[in-house]
Amino acid sequence: AQSVTQLDSQVPVFEEAPVELRCNYSSSVSVYLFWYVQYPNQGLQLLLKYLSGSTLVKGINGFEAEFNKSQTSFHLRKPSVHISDTAEYFCAVRNAGGTSYGKLTFGQGTILTVHP
Amino acid sequence: NAGVTQTPKFQVLKTGQSMTLQCAQDMNHNSMYWYRQDPGMGLRLIYYSASEGTTDKGEVPNGYNVSRLNKREFSLRLESAAPSQTSVYFCASSGVNSYEQYFGPGTRLTVT
Repeated sequence: AQSVTQLDSQVPVFEEAPVELRCNYSSSVSVYLFWYVQYPNQGLQLLLKYLSGSTLVKGINGFEAEFNKSQTSFHLRKPSVHISDTAEYFCAVRNAGGTSYGKLTFGQGTILTVHP
Repeated sequence: NAGVTQTPKFQVLKTGQSMTLQCAQDMNHNSMYWYRQDPGMGLRLIYYSASEGTTDKGEVPNGYNVSRLNKREFSLRLESAAPSQTSVYFCASSGVNSYEQYFGPGTRLTVT
């Protein structure tokens, strides 16, 4: 079984400050990792994903994440946030390889609030 | 392309009533999923359909049934709604050789 833990339920930050949203996972097999963003009253949208290769992954809207296999982490970072980044962020994991319909396991979510 | 669409957007039910949540995708995806989202619990998989004609239970299937009507449509049915099923329900789909799931806008269901 897999599990995902997002270490902060809420992260308040001021505009133009850097931010890190933390994600740790547990799995007995190799995994693919994802970050999704959910803006208020909307569905989820993929920010970035790690499948293989470089451990530093760049996504949309200036976000990036680093896969650390030894620490089983996949933390999300942005060097300078905007008001429009206010949203809930979800880390997710699935088994690597196999069929492409692999089930996702989600973390509990982190609400990022950017203050002016 | 509309992507993934869900109807209705909002619904209020009384305990014991039944209803069907509809989901359709126009991306020619093989796989479709139903999740529920509850505060502090992230998204949990209810049922999924790897391809047309197949469905399987996810993490929290009790109290739900699904139908993969065709490649485009995947419905979720609550036969006898309970207050514990108050939640936001999301449908998602993914294509062959694609690891990204595309989500619909959600259905907010309240059971009183």
